[in-house]
Amino acid sequence: EAGVAQSPRYKIIEKRQSVAFWCNPISGHATLYWYQQILGQGPKLLIQFQNNGVVDDSQLPKDRFSAERLKGVDSTLKIQPAKLEDSAVYLCASRAGLGSTGELFFGEGSRLTVL
Amino acid sequence: AQSVTQLDSHVSVSEGTPVLLRCNYSSSYSPSLFWYVQHPNKGLQLLLKYTSAATLVKGINGFEAEFKKSETSFHLTKPSAHMSDAAEYFCVVTYSNYQLIWGAGTKLIIKP
Repeated sequence: EAGVAQSPRYKIIEKRQSVAFWCNPISGHATLYWYQQILGQGPKLLIQFQNNGVVDDSQLPKDRFSAERLKGVDSTLKIQPAKLEDSAVYLCASRAGLGSTGELFFGEGSRLTVL
Repeated sequence: AQSVTQLDSHVSVSEGTPVLLRCNYSSSYSPSLFWYVQHPNKGLQLLLKYTSAATLVKGINGFEAEFKKSETSFHLTKPSAHMSDAAEYFCVVTYSNYQLIWGAGTKLIIKP
């Protein structure tokens, strides 16, 4: 089966510019996660979707970050305007369902460098 | 609050010697537990998982972990380290709700 797809793999922008990342989860997976991983740290949850609804966005900096999953399939994460501290890898993961205790499947990540 | 503690931020072993990466979780409720590995500049890969079946779980690349409810631990072991095992390892716990709780990670260093 196809894995979690993310694009772009790499992006370099200047501060105050905007950027968008796309994720397509494994087919049929209802739960989708966006994580931010800063170099040398573990993944930090930004937002979790169940189908097209937000389950947890408590750690999403809503003044500059936004995410949507309009049809409950693929998702977009946007940063506007970017700051230097947003330089990180943005990981998308999916899981079978909200009540599932199964594992997360991760994409390769999108590496953002803000200059 | 529920938490996961990886007791060592760095573990250094010589090639060919055993590996032990320690993970403790806070709650005695029935969890599902996972170990993920992340090689430099790579994505996260599932090593193994415990979901209330056998308490000794075997994973990929010769790793295994034992779920010990009485000690609320899920330590990761490998009998003989290989240079390719050098990576960061994350312990993750989930309960019947949606929350996933991540450990801070343990960096495994393999000395030749």
